[in-house]
Amino acid sequence: QQQVKQSPQSLIVQKGGIPIINCAYENTAFDYFPWYQQFPGKGPALLIAIRPDVSEKKEGRFTISFNKSAKQFSLHIMDSQPGDSATYFCAASVSSGTYKYIFGTGTRLKVLA
Amino acid sequence: GAGVSQSPRYKVAKRGQDVALRCDPISGHVSLFWYQQALGQGPEFLTYFQNEAQLDKSGLPSDRFFAERPEGSVSTLKIQRTQKEDSAVYLCASSPYSSGSSYNEQFFGPGTRLTVL
Repeated sequence: QQQVKQSPQSLIVQKGGIPIINCAYENTAFDYFPWYQQFPGKGPALLIAIRPDVSEKKEGRFTISFNKSAKQFSLHIMDSQPGDSATYFCAASVSSGTYKYIFGTGTRLKVLA
Repeated sequence: GAGVSQSPRYKVAKRGQDVALRCDPISGHVSLFWYQQALGQGPEFLTYFQNEAQLDKSGLPSDRFFAERPEGSVSTLKIQRTQKEDSAVYLCASSPYSSGSSYNEQFFGPGTRLTVL
């Protein structure tokens, strides 16, 4: 019940395409859902985050869509660029606890020039 | 503004050796987390500190793993009698928010890559 399932494992798109990464969870106590971007040899960096009271959040080229009833959320990257090539992780946490993150398994994105 | 720093960045240990990994959080951050990231996987929670108090150590895989944050700032993760399965990247994250806050953002360091031979 603590798992966050992420798909696909890897993704290749052309420059300008819109890659979509999906995550699903079971624990309805989760109330904070961040997305992190990680480049090789670096730590994860926060991209964007959402709470369940909002169905969509946009920051720059990154958009989170959230479906509370389906317990699913997804990341869309608009006008993707080769510099977006990285591994993306979704995560979930519970604010009332120690708010440790439960991470998905990651999606390796490659954007072709 | 300095971010979270970790040292060493790389550590090679022989099986059975003890290792100590250091984390310097962002100044003033109340909360500190340790995660373990196996190759090709997402980070997995190890332990959580709020100031100097270790409030959650449920993710520590065995009693060979020990973490401390004695003055509520720098933290050390110690692994005794290292085993090959301990090989991973160990990530530290800090946050200005305490547990129970409605804000959860965590800032990650670059990690320490531990290789046990």
